[in-house]
Amino acid sequence: ESVLTQSPGTLSLSPGERATLSCRASQSVSSGYLAWYQQRPGQAPRLLIYSASRRATGTPDRFSGSGSGTDFTLTISRLEPEDFAVYYCQQYGSSPPWTFGQGTRVEIK
Amino acid sequence: EVQLLESGGALIQPGGSLRLSCAASGLTFSTSPMTWVRQAPGKGLEWVSAIGAGGSSTYYADSVKGRFAVSRDNSKNTLYLQMNSLRAEDTAVYYCAKIFECGGSCRALDYWGQGTLVTVSS
Repeated sequence: ESVLTQSPGTLSLSPGERATLSCRASQSVSSGYLAWYQQRPGQAPRLLIYSASRRATGTPDRFSGSGSGTDFTLTISRLEPEDFAVYYCQQYGSSPPWTFGQGTRVEIK
Repeated sequence: EVQLLESGGALIQPGGSLRLSCAASGLTFSTSPMTWVRQAPGKGLEWVSAIGAGGSSTYYADSVKGRFAVSRDNSKNTLYLQMNSLRAEDTAVYYCAKIFECGGSCRALDYWGQGTLVTVSS
């Protein structure tokens, strides 16, 4: 079972700034099986990125994913007010369990 | 439009049982693998269970194995989670989600319900 560690725990930034979120796995993860989700307060999570770098339907192009092996990154090029939320990475191994990272909160500075 | 609607959450005493339902619409449910994910108050997401499209393949997190059972009724477009021997640490919002698979080379959860709250307390 691969453990995912997200950093930082909280990112304090201003609208318009660039956000870089990290997700590190304890074991190598196939890129096809790494996804990123956004969760706004009081809402269900929403799929942003799958296969490490592919944007889900409706994901703005200011969101991008990259990485392979054990190191993955979610980048938000210019933060919009609606981007202040919690972000989770999730890995899907060949079989469950399919673990989540503990989340990174992006807050307004 | 894909919609997933969970129900069945309640306040239940430790040791009790509860069955959650997730009614699906706007998708071909019978060909969609599904999963349950939970979130304790103020905490992160925890994967709980998954089931294949036909219902014969089921998977569980170690924390619920032997106590929870996932099932589905494709004729009713409904997913279930039977929860037995409930503990305080099972208190959470439970989400159902559709598993998206692209030709066996990727996997993600592309649609989520709004969740149903289960509170285990005496």
